[in-house]
Amino acid sequence: EAQVTQNPRYLITVTGKKLTVTCSQNMNHEYMSWYRQDPGLGLRQIYYSMNVEVTDKGDVPEGYKVSRKEKRNFPLILESPSPNQTSLYFCASSLSSGGYGTGELFFGEGSRLTVL
Amino acid sequence: AQSVSQHNHHVILSEAASLELGCNYSYGGTVNLFWYVQYPGQHLQLLLKYFSGDPLVKGIKGFEAEFIKSKFSFNLRKPSVQWSDTAEYFCAAPYDGSGNTGKLIFGQGTTLQVKP
Repeated sequence: EAQVTQNPRYLITVTGKKLTVTCSQNMNHEYMSWYRQDPGLGLRQIYYSMNVEVTDKGDVPEGYKVSRKEKRNFPLILESPSPNQTSLYFCASSLSSGGYGTGELFFGEGSRLTVL
Repeated sequence: AQSVSQHNHHVILSEAASLELGCNYSYGGTVNLFWYVQYPGQHLQLLLKYFSGDPLVKGIKGFEAEFIKSKFSFNLRKPSVQWSDTAEYFCAAPYDGSGNTGKLIFGQGTTLQVKP
């Protein structure tokens, strides 16, 4: 089954404790992206990757890191989480590396993160 | 640079009522446009998309949207809503209009509540 898998789905952590949210897709998609969803703000893009070893900042990259060492994986790293990073996070992938001209975004189930 | 705005933040309708959700974008050039839906507790999924051609786009579950370039609008419509349409709806467009940069901008979202 074609899917985007995120882990963990739920996490409560404390300020400053490094964490990683994993994202994996099995569709051989070139493009992957991370979003956070907050009430009243919709989805905001954190980072995206057009292909392996190619990453770029979205609208709200501060406090986050990503890497794309393999095509299927795109982990989101919070080196020193803070309470303002409490949010619902979505990973997404798309076939087209040129953006959205031919493809649609496929989303993971979401990871709800709480930072105390 | 693109911005996407959705005017209605919360809409309540009775079953069988007609639906129209507003979406306006700002980019003046060639633009690709999307509507995504997020059912309660689920991830986002694509409802419909516009790339070029017929400005009236049909999507899944009886939804359609009309691209009106002169109004910078891409409103979502459904003639008769069902209780199962209760969800949050997001309009989206690439940062540069056609998606070449890989940045996708989402609107704030509209929560639709359909009363049985």
